[in-house]
Amino acid sequence: AQKITQTQPGMFVQEKEAVTLDCTYDTSDQSYGLFWYKQPSSGEMIFLIYQGSYDEQNATEGRYSLNFQKARKSANLVISASQLGDSAMYFCAMREGYGGATNKLIFGTGTLLAVQP
Amino acid sequence: DAGVIQSPRHEVTEMGQEVTLRCKPISGHNSLFWYRQTMMRGLELLIYFNNNVPIDDSGMPEDRFSAKMPNASFSTLKIQPSEPRDSAVYFCASSAGLAGLREQYFGPGTRLTVT
Repeated sequence: AQKITQTQPGMFVQEKEAVTLDCTYDTSDQSYGLFWYKQPSSGEMIFLIYQGSYDEQNATEGRYSLNFQKARKSANLVISASQLGDSAMYFCAMREGYGGATNKLIFGTGTLLAVQP
Repeated sequence: DAGVIQSPRHEVTEMGQEVTLRCKPISGHNSLFWYRQTMMRGLELLIYFNNNVPIDDSGMPEDRFSAKMPNASFSTLKIQPSEPRDSAVYFCASSAGLAGLREQYFGPGTRLTVT
């Protein structure tokens, strides 16, 4: 079964508009972490934002915010005021457990975002 | 501050040859991860180290792959012998804190082509 599901292979958004990239996850752990990474066409993986399962408030980092709905097991990324430079592949990832052997990140298949002028 | 450094950035080799990928993590980070990215399989973790000790190598595809971390500032991923299906982008990442619970910072990747 997929641990991380990103149902949108591709998305378009108009410059300066907000966009939401969907991510749902599957875990039976009580303690876990959720991450979003950006991969532009140049190939590097850029960390964007982190949400811990016990964090009560949604994480925010500049124009990025994470809409964390624990009961629905969703961790959607919201990008406000889209810019042309936001065009990239976006990956959702999950770390299960707390340290030790369960420390690895599991990545979704990604969503390709294209920002149109 | 320097990020994660990987070398080489590109590697083209012939089937059967040995390939060694290198990684220098961010200074002070105690966890190091090797990932592989392909179109077919996406991003998958191969192995990770905590305090230079391999913790989980369940993602290493087969015995042809081996990884070492002789000290806190250097790691290698070796493929011997290489095969065309090993062609991929290999990323190294590092993280700080308690067993790398927080974000992992990725290097620029090594694009490996095996002909």
